[in-house]
Amino acid sequence: DAKTTQPPSMDCAEGRAANLPCNHSTISGNEYVYWYRQIHSQGPQYIIHGLKNNETNEMASLIITEDRKSSTLILPHATLRDTAVYYCIVRDNQGGKLIFGQGTELSVKP
Amino acid sequence: GAVVSQHPSRVICKSGTSVKIECRSLDFQATTMFWYRQFPKQSLMLMATSNEGSKATYEQGVEKDKFLINHASLTLSTLTVTSAHPEDSSFYICSARDMVRGYESQYFGPGTRLLVL
Repeated sequence: DAKTTQPPSMDCAEGRAANLPCNHSTISGNEYVYWYRQIHSQGPQYIIHGLKNNETNEMASLIITEDRKSSTLILPHATLRDTAVYYCIVRDNQGGKLIFGQGTELSVKP
Repeated sequence: GAVVSQHPSRVICKSGTSVKIECRSLDFQATTMFWYRQFPKQSLMLMATSNEGSKATYEQGVEKDKFLINHASLTLSTLTVTSAHPEDSSFYICSARDMVRGYESQYFGPGTRLLVL
């Protein structure tokens, strides 16, 4: 079973920041938070992952709360091409499988 | 970035026939590959984990005799749907883990859409 809870859908205006929340209250100490997205009819694309520190790369920023029970993925300037289903997954890095929950369907609108 | 390919991208077959789907890691070696299935409007469901040179490990509820997985080399895994039926129609996606970069690096293929008539 997926160990995360995400809102089923969100809207965002083009050019604005998209903030996607994820709850993972049962996360254990050796589990990382991963984010993937899936554009319609394509395979999932890796976005970012983190353990407890905030992370940033060319695609997004990941903010993890101090108690690690929740996190937020931030797309700083959303474009129409960011419309996709975003999946938050917790996994240990010792061979754990990527188990997908229902994700958040993000619609970026002009 | 790392590339995973799948072939074919889509296939239509008659009920009762078998269909083979190939998954290749193009620029890295993958000791572990994963097969997922996705029905319309649903999330990805992990079917099995395949390790190079050994038998695949299937998730609960997935019939190993129906979904044959072979991982004969470090860059190729195949999924064969045997005696396909209309309820097997789905989007099949493979994923490969880069053995050099480690567990953090897992990349997905573009998917194969199977339609069984």
